[in-house]
Amino acid sequence: GAVVSQHPSWVICKSGTSVKIECRSLDFQATTMFWYRQFPKQSLMLMATSNEGSKATYEQGVEKDKFLINHASLTLSTLTVTSAHPEDSSFYICSARLTNYEQYFGPGTRLTVT
Amino acid sequence: AQSVTQPDIHITVSEGASLELRCNYSYGATPYLFWYVQSPGQGLQLLLKYFSGDTLVQGIKGFEAEFKRSQSSFNLRKPSVHWSDAAEYFCAAGGGADGLTFGKGTHLIIQP
Repeated sequence: GAVVSQHPSWVICKSGTSVKIECRSLDFQATTMFWYRQFPKQSLMLMATSNEGSKATYEQGVEKDKFLINHASLTLSTLTVTSAHPEDSSFYICSARLTNYEQYFGPGTRLTVT
Repeated sequence: AQSVTQPDIHITVSEGASLELRCNYSYGATPYLFWYVQSPGQGLQLLLKYFSGDTLVQGIKGFEAEFKRSQSSFNLRKPSVHWSDAAEYFCAAGGGADGLTFGKGTHLIIQP
């Protein structure tokens, strides 16, 4: 149980275009999901907290207009990278909160912007 | 500010030897504490977690961790490592309604 999926697993897009990444909790409902970013050989940095039915909360330094987050249902959160640039290339990982002390992570999405 | 420190960037251990990965945290109160493992290009797998109670926590794959409040530490241990344990290990703190704060990770190399 407690499986989280992400789609796509990898994506290549051209500079200036937008790309959407989906995060789904497959066997549980999650009112809260989190989005993290991981640069190569580095740690995960929390980007934003996504709450079902309300606006996302962004961490300091994360551009909310560039990284649009929507949490329209209890099992789906989406991250849209708008007007992508090569510096947005990264590994994006979501997690879904099951309880106060349990977060389950998706397998990640590798974004390459050319 | 909240922070998690993993002082060892790389650790090399011989197969069959014991392992200890260090983790220190700085938080206003004792947070929930976690250890995750990540294989190259993969997501995170939870090894174990601590939130209260017994300070020695057992996890999957033979791992355990000990919470020491006086030292603000949550070190990960394994008595005998296997080649398949080679991976990146992350200590994390937080939880509740908040996302997690991760340490920078420790890259574990297993020597035959």
